[in-house]
Amino acid sequence: AQSVAQPEDQVNVAEGNPLTVKCTYSVSGNPYLFWYVQYPNRGLQFLLKYITGDNLVKGSYGFEAEFNKSQTSFHLKKPSALVSDSALYFCAVRAYNNNDMRFGAGTRLTVKP
Amino acid sequence: DTGVSQNPRHKITKRGQNVTFRCDPISEHNRLYWYRQTLGQGPEFLTYFQNEAQLEKSRLLSDRFSAERPKGSFSTLEIQRTEQGDSAMYLCASTLEGTEAFFGQGTRLTVV
Repeated sequence: AQSVAQPEDQVNVAEGNPLTVKCTYSVSGNPYLFWYVQYPNRGLQFLLKYITGDNLVKGSYGFEAEFNKSQTSFHLKKPSALVSDSALYFCAVRAYNNNDMRFGAGTRLTVKP
Repeated sequence: DTGVSQNPRHKITKRGQNVTFRCDPISEHNRLYWYRQTLGQGPEFLTYFQNEAQLEKSRLLSDRFSAERPKGSFSTLEIQRTEQGDSAMYLCASTLEGTEAFFGQGTRLTVV
């Protein structure tokens, strides 16, 4: 069965600095990888996905993520953080032939002015 | 609004009562998922429909839980004889094959 690990419960960065939120995964076969963001009392909003192709994928709000097959990682990055990026971020994975999408426990990102 | 819609947004119920939640997916999406999310955790997969067929069920989905999608459009999730441990946010998502899932705002269930 597939699984996701987000090793950091919390990430703190200063506004304007680059940010990275880490994600590693385990899946049989080719992975479909996703990042979602959740604001308080809201559902999950899709940020970006990796299905195939370029290892660097770009998504909403200036976020990007790099797929690294050898390290089974899919870290979320942004060159310059904004205070409004403060939220809960979830990485998710499913196998290409499986509809069970598994989520990590989430990483709370706090961007300080 | 063409997003995923969930009703009600909040539900408070007494232990032992039955509750039912509704999810209206994005109209052209053939796949529909139910997840449960507790505080500080990521969403946990409960069940999945392709059109009206329920194709996968998590072992988290005890026999008190039942989900339907009778016409391949909206879906309902019923919890019978609710327990305090059922208190959580219940999330619905829909998708087309091979694409990302779009989530509703969720239904927050509190069992007292």
